[in-house]
Amino acid sequence: AQSVTQLGSHVSVSEGALVLLRCNYSSSVPPYLFWYVQYPNQGLQLLLKYTSAATLVKGINGFEAEFKKSETSFHLTKPSAHMSDAAEYFCAVSESYPAGGTSYGKLTFGQGTILTVHP
Amino acid sequence: SAVISQKPSRDICQRGTSLTIQCQVDSQVTMMFWYRQQPGQSLTLIATANQGSEATYESGFVIDKFPISRPNLTFSTLTVSNMSPEDSSIYLCSVEVRGLKSSYNEQFFGPGTRLTVL
Repeated sequence: AQSVTQLGSHVSVSEGALVLLRCNYSSSVPPYLFWYVQYPNQGLQLLLKYTSAATLVKGINGFEAEFKKSETSFHLTKPSAHMSDAAEYFCAVSESYPAGGTSYGKLTFGQGTILTVHP
Repeated sequence: SAVISQKPSRDICQRGTSLTIQCQVDSQVTMMFWYRQQPGQSLTLIATANQGSEATYESGFVIDKFPISRPNLTFSTLTVSNMSPEDSSIYLCSVEVRGLKSSYNEQFFGPGTRLTVL
């Protein structure tokens, strides 16, 4: 079974400060990992994904995440927060099937982290 | 990529009634999923609806409560039956398509249907 834990339901940063959103996963097989963003009253948008290639993954809007197998973590970072980054962020895990394949199948989401950016 | 639309975008329904949510995709897809996002909570998978087979429901979800149709490769419906206030949620469909920039597939989400049950 797979699961995701996001540490901190709310994170508040100042504009220009570092953004760090934490995600730890549990998976019985090598995982595929995702970060999604949800702006108010909008659908989910994929920020980035890890699919067993480079452990440092760069996404849209200046976000990146590093896969650390030893720590079972996939934390999301951005060097400098912008007001437009205020949203809810979800970490998700899937177990590729067949193993090592190119399909993700169902996703298991974390509880979400609401990011607030102060001027 | 895939562009997904859902109808209705929102609705307010009375207890005991049913609502059918439509999901339309602009391209043919095999894998389609239905998720629920309850207020203040994360997304939970309801079922996987692949064309040509019966929907597969996750633990805690049953076909009588959430019947799903998948008549073709671009369309699906989810019905929320005999609704109660606990069914008030955002319901989202998602699809998995072949990636354009990599060998891996991509998953896209619809905008969601915001349901309020009184």
